Amino acid sequence: DTEVTQTPKHLVMGMTNKKSLKCEQHMGHRAMYWYKQKAKKPPELMFVYSYEKLSINESVPSRFSPECPNSSLLNLHLHALQPEDSALYLCASSQAPGHTDTQYFGPGTRLTVL
Amino acid sequence: GENVEQHPSTLSVQEGDSAVIKCTYSDSASNYFPWYKQELGKRPQLIIDIRSNVGEKKDQRIAVTLNKTAKHFSLHITETQPEDSAVYFCAASLDNYGQNFVFGPGTRLSVLP
Repeated sequence: DTEVTQTPKHLVMGMTNKKSLKCEQHMGHRAMYWYKQKAKKPPELMFVYSYEKLSINESVPSRFSPECPNSSLLNLHLHALQPEDSALYLCASSQAPGHTDTQYFGPGTRLTVL
Repeated sequence: GENVEQHPSTLSVQEGDSAVIKCTYSDSASNYFPWYKQELGKRPQLIIDIRSNVGEKKDQRIAVTLNKTAKHFSLHITETQPEDSAVYFCAASLDNYGQNFVFGPGTRLSVLP
């Protein structure tokens, strides 16, 4: 399996809802990432997990809560989001932390916050 | 921290012509430079990459050149086809714990039939 998968593809939520985004890879990669991408902009790094431990948190608001239950799974828990959080949320993985290595992206979850 | 600039922001070429996109980076310690292609509504996909110990790399119609002294790298696409139309992002990365890519702002390439 050479792919990163993400669910759901689309998500619409209200500002009081709690939801979760899921990412999965079975390539044996030990680094996993969450990015946020607004329209016509590059991906913007949110979190990095290395060997299932959070290694980078790019000053992301606490309404976004990442979780890495095992080496294949990455979740992003969402609570009390704002309309400006509407974006494409991309998950990525790469082989080994600490090495410059290619990141492979999932198809993304398009999130709309009403 | 690293800053990556990318030019042009939009590029239109006729089918069969060549396209060149240029990126500059600020941190001389960056040592890995991937290029991603993103079609509308799709994921970014790696099309080619280059490491700092190499000056040029080619894969069929796509090539990347790196000038470490000037801190710039370029994507070259020859014999462009309509399916090359997409947004292209360059990125620069350091050898650090947790692979922090810094992306350029992107170039929207349109290949006109």
